[in-house]
Amino acid sequence: QLQLQESGPGLVKPSETLSLTCTVSGVSIGMTYYWAWIRQPPGKGLEWIGNIHNSGSTYSNPSLQSRLTISVDASKNQFSLNLRSVTAADTAVYYCARLWFGELVFFDSWGQGTLVLVSS
Amino acid sequence: EIVLTQSPGTLSLSPGETATLSCRASQSIGSSSLTWYQQKPGQAPRLLIYGESDRATGIPDRFSVSGSGTDFTLTISRLEPEDFAVYYCQQYVTSPWTFGQGTKVDIK
Repeated sequence: QLQLQESGPGLVKPSETLSLTCTVSGVSIGMTYYWAWIRQPPGKGLEWIGNIHNSGSTYSNPSLQSRLTISVDASKNQFSLNLRSVTAADTAVYYCARLWFGELVFFDSWGQGTLVLVSS
Repeated sequence: EIVLTQSPGTLSLSPGETATLSCRASQSIGSSSLTWYQQKPGQAPRLLIYGESDRATGIPDRFSVSGSGTDFTLTISRLEPEDFAVYYCQQYVTSPWTFGQGTKVDIK
């Protein structure tokens, strides 16, 4: 059974880098899947951050692209998110998810989410 | 960027009633480039319906979708207690992929 678990600091200072890791279990990340990050500010809606294929190719939200790095480590069955120069606007629950990316696009399995607060 | 506007913001209904949720796109997204998710308090979103009308694993046939172009509808027939949640639509026709702001279905 596929499970995803986010991990990383819950508090990041403004201007620093937010780093999160998603550990995947139940399926090999090296299989032909895509993996994604989505976030949700407290009390607000969802925002797509970006995706990565197990080959390392990425596709991300243009509004975040200049600050964003998504990477994959197949040996650890993990993928990661680095968001640079954060501000309070980046405070959110961050979810990792498996993405079905083809003719249809949907996030079919989600982690439980991790709250990241950007504050000094 | 395609903006998805969901209405109403909140829908107050009783168990057994039918919920009709709207998702309107700022430009045409075809007939199937929309996905629906359900989110309960403190939980991650859950895939509900994708494609033209494919229900995710475990989603009962009380959930159905219709629409094309810019206007889409999620219908939940015979509301069960576990259906009271927030529902989001999401488009993937153009980048950035965007979500609606959500419709909350709560118990009247």
